Amino acid sequence: EVQLVESGKNLVQPGGSLRLSCAASGFTFSSYAMSWVRQAPGKGLEWVSVISGSADSTDYADSVKGRFTISRDNSKNTLYLQMNSLRAEDTAVYYCAKNPKAFYSGSGTSFDYWGQGTLVTVSS
Amino acid sequence: QSALTQPPSASGSRGQSVTISCSGTSSDVGGYNYVSWYQQHPGKAPKLMIYEVIKRPSGVPDRFSGSKSGNTASLTVSGLQAEDEADYYCSSYAGSNNLRVFGGGTKLTVL
Repeated sequence: EVQLVESGKNLVQPGGSLRLSCAASGFTFSSYAMSWVRQAPGKGLEWVSVISGSADSTDYADSVKGRFTISRDNSKNTLYLQMNSLRAEDTAVYYCAKNPKAFYSGSGTSFDYWGQGTLVTVSS
Repeated sequence: QSALTQPPSASGSRGQSVTISCSGTSSDVGGYNYVSWYQQHPGKAPKLMIYEVIKRPSGVPDRFSGSKSGNTASLTVSGLQAEDEADYYCSSYAGSNNLRVFGGGTKLTVL
């Protein structure tokens, strides 16, 4: 059974930093690209970032480019999201999501499994 | 503002069918057969219901079906059941520069 479990500090001040983690199990982690998708309170879904299965390629939404860094440790089956220069508009539930292929292009960009999400609040 | 346009709400009686639309452009929905649909119950994570426009993951009832015409994709739920009441989001591949875009979501009410 595929399981994705997110964790990370929940409250941070504007301009601060935060690192989210996502522990994966139930599948061969290194064989699949992984993504972060967020959802602001009462709002819709927004794709944030993706990393290939081999960790040699990444991509970001324009709204977080230059501030967020996605990474993964395939030896630990764990996905990360380093979030710097946080803004109030980054407040959201952050979901870790599995992509159906090793590389994220075309059919590989959908999300076939999701974690339960972790709420990040950026506020003073 | 979301890249894809969905109606904010839809409704149908138990046993009936309802169709939710998802309007995009030739740069996303119309340009690729990589539309997916997600179901989200309140306080829960999204769940993949349809991928590559028409395909259903294992375990998803065949009451859920997808289609596409031009720049508009659609999700049809037949034989509505109480547990189908949820938010539904469409998403499309949008090319290498914009990877994945979402609709604003549709709240489906089962009467």
